[in-house]
Amino acid sequence: AQSVDQPDAHVTLSEGASLELRCSYSYSAAPYLFWYVQYPGQSLQFLLKYITGDTVVKGTKGFEAEFRKSNSSFNLKKSPAHWSDSAKYFCALETSSGSWQLIFGSGTQLTVMP
Amino acid sequence: EAAVTQSPRNKVTVTGGNVTLSCRQTNSHNYMYWYRQDTGHGLRLIHYSYGAGNLQIGDVPDGYKATRTTQEDFFLLLELASPSQTSLYFCASSAGLGGSYEQYFGPGTRLTVL
Repeated sequence: AQSVDQPDAHVTLSEGASLELRCSYSYSAAPYLFWYVQYPGQSLQFLLKYITGDTVVKGTKGFEAEFRKSNSSFNLKKSPAHWSDSAKYFCALETSSGSWQLIFGSGTQLTVMP
Repeated sequence: EAAVTQSPRNKVTVTGGNVTLSCRQTNSHNYMYWYRQDTGHGLRLIHYSYGAGNLQIGDVPDGYKATRTTQEDFFLLLELASPSQTSLYFCASSAGLGGSYEQYFGPGTRLTVL
């Protein structure tokens, strides 16, 4: 069955450090992968997506993510991190064949200390 | 800018009660979605629709009905609410279905079933 795993429920780092939020997926066909961000008290906002092509995709707010087929990962990165990046980040998998599904991971709460 | 609104923003009801959550989008999008967000689960798709009168079953549909009355309006109905339906509900819209189409989310409705 298709699934998305975000193994780190919480990540804390200092402003200026590099951030990397982990996401792994399970899907037998070519995946469509997304990152969304949820700021405190707000709804989800789209950050970036991987459909095909370049394995490093750039998104909004200075974020990028790298698709690695070899280990089924799609990690989100940013350097340097800013305190305003503190939010909850969700990775999502969309199935590209068969019945349509959009599966979200459980999210990673990021805290960037000023 | 894409706009999705939800009402009410907060709702408290009792077990067995009737609840209707409303969602309106002014994006002229074809697709609309209802999700629930629970700690440890990320977002889970309840129902979605690709136009007025259409309804597609999502991943966690049990206990929920939905109706798309116009292109703009999508309602989620809980006819016999149970405490297990206490959750944060998000509505979203997109122009199409699939990886090329970003979803735009509403602000959410927090539902408590006592």
